[in-house]
Amino acid sequence: DTGVSQDPRHKITKRGQNVTFRCDPISEHNRLYWYRQTLGQGPEFLTYFQNEAQLEKSRLLSDRFSAERPKGSFSTLEIQRTEQGDSAMYLCASSSRAGGSGELFFGEGSRLTVL
Amino acid sequence: GDSVTQMEGPVTLSEEAFLTINCTYTATGYPSLFWYVQYPGEGLQLLLKATKADDKGSNKGFEATYRKETTSFHLEKGSVQVSDSAVYFCALMEYGNKLVFGAGTILRVKS
Repeated sequence: DTGVSQDPRHKITKRGQNVTFRCDPISEHNRLYWYRQTLGQGPEFLTYFQNEAQLEKSRLLSDRFSAERPKGSFSTLEIQRTEQGDSAMYLCASSSRAGGSGELFFGEGSRLTVL
Repeated sequence: GDSVTQMEGPVTLSEEAFLTINCTYTATGYPSLFWYVQYPGEGLQLLLKATKADDKGSNKGFEATYRKETTSFHLEKGSVQVSDSAVYFCALMEYGNKLVFGAGTILRVKS
């Protein structure tokens, strides 16, 4: 399968712990996006990269959140000192070109549950 | 800022019924417009798109027309099937950057 893959698919953690999610985009795609989705809502933009450069961050991305894409390939999203409000599905998507067609290819998401 | 408003669901239809899911948008410029679909247990996938006013996007029997005068992009299908049951998201993209999504509309089709 050569689609976008995310790991882990489901993470349960206690409040205050740190968690990290990984996204492997489609190999030739240079753009990578992170979104967050809560129940009954559409995906909300968090941040995106073009190659290894982080080009935009949402105000939703508090200082407890950090995302990296060190070699322009896979990306990680880390949440420090998790809070119950962080419980959500974290979606990763990739696309092939800047300015583009708007076709983002999404992974199946990583579901975070904070107890 | 940019935003997308969709009709609330769930929408429940019998097989072969006509479907309309309303979508309106607010944007500063001239965005591209999209419908994405999420089938149970799967990731979001692009259903159709339109990049300029009066364009019609179509795929799998679904259609939507970019109406600048009413800032709308309503999704339609003439005859739905049980396999169309999914969550449908309207979205826009300005300046080729990020997608802004609506809240989604659940569609349930009964046989």
